Amino acid sequence: GNSVTQMEGPVTLSEEAFLTINCTYTATGYPSLFWYVQYPGEGLQLLLKATKADDKGSNKGFEATYRKETTSFHLEKGSVQVSDSAVYFCALSDLTSGSARQLTFGSGTQLTVLP
Amino acid sequence: GAGVSQSPSNKVTEKGKDVELRCDPISGHTALYWYRQSLGQGLEFLIYFQGNSAPDKSGLPSDRFSAERTGGSVSTLTIQRTQQEDSAVYLCASSSQAGARTEKLFFGSGTQLSVL
Repeated sequence: GNSVTQMEGPVTLSEEAFLTINCTYTATGYPSLFWYVQYPGEGLQLLLKATKADDKGSNKGFEATYRKETTSFHLEKGSVQVSDSAVYFCALSDLTSGSARQLTFGSGTQLTVLP
Repeated sequence: GAGVSQSPSNKVTEKGKDVELRCDPISGHTALYWYRQSLGQGLEFLIYFQGNSAPDKSGLPSDRFSAERTGGSVSTLTIQRTQQEDSAVYLCASSSQAGARTEKLFFGSGTQLSVL
């Protein structure tokens, strides 16, 4: 079956530090990969996505590259801000296995950025 | 409304009681999902509705869980005879691109359920 493994948190960084949150996946087909973000008191929001190998998703200064050879989709940002404090979820959707309706999520990584 | 609305935001109940959780999706979205987020765990798929098709109930953990979607809009998730292990945040999401490779889900803020 499909699975997503995320770097365990919590992660605490100072403002302007470099961020990496690791994500690796197992899938039977050719998944699309996503990062979702959940700010305090809000619902989940799609942050970025990539639908095929070597695609790079980017949004709000965050980037992640779909690496099929390492089955990874690590989230990076060069300079974090206090407002980036949130929980980040890696997820996949695998159309070819017939489970398109079922996003598989990682356990989430809590990021806290200190001023 | 502008986003997915869930109610109540918090629910505390006693073991053995029934609870109903409500989700109001974004107007016009044909797909509706329920997920569960237990403490320290990832999101767990529960059920999926798409238009007038039969729902995909493959994620429901037991027959104490059921869900309805009336008129293709509002959905209610019902948990009968609640147990302490049902304590979690229940998230609803809707989408206008069900099954598309780039489907984008819009999530509500969730209902925090605590079973004492």
